Amino acid sequence: EAEVAQSPRYKITEKSQAVAFWCDPISGHATLYWYRQILGQGPELLVQFQDESVVDDSQLPKDRFSAERLKGVDSTLKIQPAELGDSAMYLCASSRSIPGIVHYEQYFGPGTRLTVT
Amino acid sequence: LAKTTQPISMDSYEGQEVNITCSHNNIATNDYITWYQQFPSQGPRFIIQGYKTKVTNEVASLFIPADRKSSTLSLPRVSLSDTAVYYCLVGDISSDKLIFGTGTRLQVFP
Repeated sequence: EAEVAQSPRYKITEKSQAVAFWCDPISGHATLYWYRQILGQGPELLVQFQDESVVDDSQLPKDRFSAERLKGVDSTLKIQPAELGDSAMYLCASSRSIPGIVHYEQYFGPGTRLTVT
Repeated sequence: LAKTTQPISMDSYEGQEVNITCSHNNIATNDYITWYQQFPSQGPRFIIQGYKTKVTNEVASLFIPADRKSSTLSLPRVSLSDTAVYYCLVGDISSDKLIFGTGTRLQVFP
């Protein structure tokens, strides 16, 4: 069964440093999502891509976060500089694009656990 | 952002049916309701998705009333391995954003 790949699985960084996360969606999935999940809470959408285009990044803190999906396949999420409050699980998900369905079923990767010290 | 609310926790015993409700008063007109299961330190896993009335697959059923302001995930005959956190996911009409519910922690006892 195809899976969404994410790396690294765990990252510890000091505040003010830069950190990057990588996601490889399931082949053929045009839609890619990045979420942030704070311990004990539900995932929060940061950015949504349709192929290489950003569909929604309204909740991405753009002063420090950036995301790209240059060729419409894999994607990178970057934080620079990292702050203590960025400690969380960063999840990537992908889905097929189905006409008439706004948000089709998403397949999530294992996530990257970020700890900022 | 409008909240999508769920009971914080539920307890059940093996073999029982469990129903988890999600309240989503601001659901977008054209969006589906999706439910996910999440185990500790893992990404959420898709369970079921529906738009209205009832949907059933091999693991669960989803009941959606006509006004679509709530939905109920039904897990028949739960087992210990169903112990997890369950989230609903809907699009919010006022913000046009995808919003996960607050999550329900299900504990299944032997």
